Amino acid sequence: DIQMTQSPSFLSASVGDRVTITCRANQSINSYLNWYQQIPGKAPKLLIYAASTLQGGVPSRFSGSGSGTDFTLTISSLQREDFVTYYCQQSYTSPRSFGQGTKVEIK
Amino acid sequence: QVQLVQSGTEVKKPGSSVRVSCKASGGTFKSYAIGWVRQAPGQGLECMGGIIPLFGTTQYAQEFQGRLTITADEPTSTVYMELRGLRSEDTAVYYCAREKIGGYSNYDYWGQGTLVTVSS
Repeated sequence: DIQMTQSPSFLSASVGDRVTITCRANQSINSYLNWYQQIPGKAPKLLIYAASTLQGGVPSRFSGSGSGTDFTLTISSLQREDFVTYYCQQSYTSPRSFGQGTKVEIK
Repeated sequence: QVQLVQSGTEVKKPGSSVRVSCKASGGTFKSYAIGWVRQAPGQGLECMGGIIPLFGTTQYAQEFQGRLTITADEPTSTVYMELRGLRSEDTAVYYCAREKIGGYSNYDYWGQGTLVTVSS
């Protein structure tokens, strides 16, 4: 099974900051990488798929990049509603697997 | 509008089984896979497995092999997840999610989640 590792696990930032979350796979997954946002108590929401394609309706302050084993999610200017948890997920092979999550907290 | 509606909260004894349903509407059931993801309290997301209803093919994460069965009923567009031999560590919210078949697949629609509590 493919292992996904996110860093950092926790991130403290302020409104307006630019933040970057990284995700690494233990083998190449091409661009089969998705990013999800999860509000506490809610189901995850798809933000980005195929490493860099923004899901419809997602604000343009979110962006993704990378291929192979190393990926990043960038939020260009944090808004209050962005202080939640983010997960990467590989869809290169089954079973799918998620990173452990990154919780973005208000500094 | 695509919706995945899951069955309600379950409380189970250790050693018993649970079956959670996921009914799809508003989309073409046959054109997608349905995956199951769980989340223990305060923890991250864990993929359990999935099914392609069109073919009836299933895949399960190694951790759940032998304990997990995922089935689909096409006439009612419903997918079922059955987990057997429950233990306290299986206490979690269980989600179903729709996944496109082929290409750069992703979970684009999710059920509301079903809380399963395993307690004696």
